[in-house]
Amino acid sequence: QKEVEQNSGPLSVPEGAIASLNCTYSDRGSQSFFWYRQYSGKSPELIMFIYSNGDKEDGRFTAQLNKASQYVSLLIRDSQPSDSATYLCAVNEGSYIPTFGRGTSLIVHP
Amino acid sequence: NAGVMQNPRHLVRRRGQEARLRCSPMKGHSHVYWYRQLPEEGLKFMVYLQKENIIDESGMPKERFSAEFPKEGPSILRIQQVVRGDSAAYFCASSPGPQGSEQYFGPGTRLTVT
Repeated sequence: QKEVEQNSGPLSVPEGAIASLNCTYSDRGSQSFFWYRQYSGKSPELIMFIYSNGDKEDGRFTAQLNKASQYVSLLIRDSQPSDSATYLCAVNEGSYIPTFGRGTSLIVHP
Repeated sequence: NAGVMQNPRHLVRRRGQEARLRCSPMKGHSHVYWYRQLPEEGLKFMVYLQKENIIDESGMPKERFSAEFPKEGPSILRIQQVVRGDSAAYFCASSPGPQGSEQYFGPGTRLTVT
């Protein structure tokens, strides 16, 4: 059974701080990793994907992958209230179907 | 480049009726996935299709649910004889390639069964 685990939160951070969202996965053969943002009542929106160990940066977002420890994280720098949403981690071991975590709720308070 | 399109956005059906949900993938994408999401719950995979083929329907109930992706036209998720438990948000996603590719989601169809 492939599992993707996320702390459901909520994770509360002040505006301007760094928000750190974590995700662990069970399948060592996993090859591709995705972060989605989902606002309440809306559909998931792809933020980033990462395939190789290390960091990948895009604007205020940084994805970090550590395959040896089987975790992937998302850092959001200079957090804004508009970043308040649920963040979904998805992991694909090379099959057709990614496994989604249940998401972490992030609240950025002014 | 238009994103993934889904219609209708909201659908109300009485118990026993049929629901048809449509999804047009992004231009150039030929891989379509359907997911269901209940309030405060995660995404549940239902079915993966390519043009004219069902590749994986392991997440779809065997009864009352069916999906297709014809050569021409949108992908359709069909729910026959709906029950209250079918009330949920149904999302379609498309991807540019097969295994391991990123997925782009449509706005979803909110199905309410009364």
